[in-house]
Amino acid sequence: EAGVAQSPRYKIIEKRQSVAFWCNPISGHATLYWYQQILGQGPKLLIQFQNNGVVDDSQLPKDRFSAERLKGVDSTLKIQPAKLEDSAVYLCASSLGATITDTQYFGPGTRLTVL
Amino acid sequence: AQSVTQLDSQVPVFEEAPVELRCNYSSSVSVYLFWYVQYPNQGLQLLLKYLSGSTLVKGINGFEAEFNKSQTSFHLRKPSVHISDTAEYFCAVKVRGAQKLVFGQGTRLTINP
Repeated sequence: EAGVAQSPRYKIIEKRQSVAFWCNPISGHATLYWYQQILGQGPKLLIQFQNNGVVDDSQLPKDRFSAERLKGVDSTLKIQPAKLEDSAVYLCASSLGATITDTQYFGPGTRLTVL
Repeated sequence: AQSVTQLDSQVPVFEEAPVELRCNYSSSVSVYLFWYVQYPNQGLQLLLKYLSGSTLVKGINGFEAEFNKSQTSFHLRKPSVHISDTAEYFCAVKVRGAQKLVFGQGTRLTINP
């Protein structure tokens, strides 16, 4: 079974530029998550989708971050404009559902460096 | 709001020695507890989880953890580590009724030969 796919794996941009990350979850997984992992910290949930609807985006900086999952399958996370403090690894995860017994499976992440 | 504290940012041990990675949580309601491992340049992988029942939980790769409600702890242990256990370990909590995982800051386990 294929895991969670993410691209690109690495991205270097200058501040004020825009960037987009792509995630393809495990086939059949209804729930998709985007996390931000700053160096030396644990992952922080940015947004959670259930199919193509948003369940939780309380920690998403909506003035510059946006995410969509239009067909309930793959998802895109965008930052526009980027700031230095956005340098982090962006992790995508998916689970079959959102119940407590549903395990989250993580992709390898996209490492973003903002100069 | 719930929070997770991993008491050690780095733990160096010798190969075949035992190891304990400490995790404490704070929450006013019932919680579910998880340990994830992150190998270099990879995503997180679930090691084990406590949902209910026996407080001693066994996971993959010979790891186990014990839920202690009175001490609000969920420490991870392995009796004999291997070089391949070198990784970052994250403790996480989910509050009953909520869907969000809250992670600790991680503990880097380094195994010396």
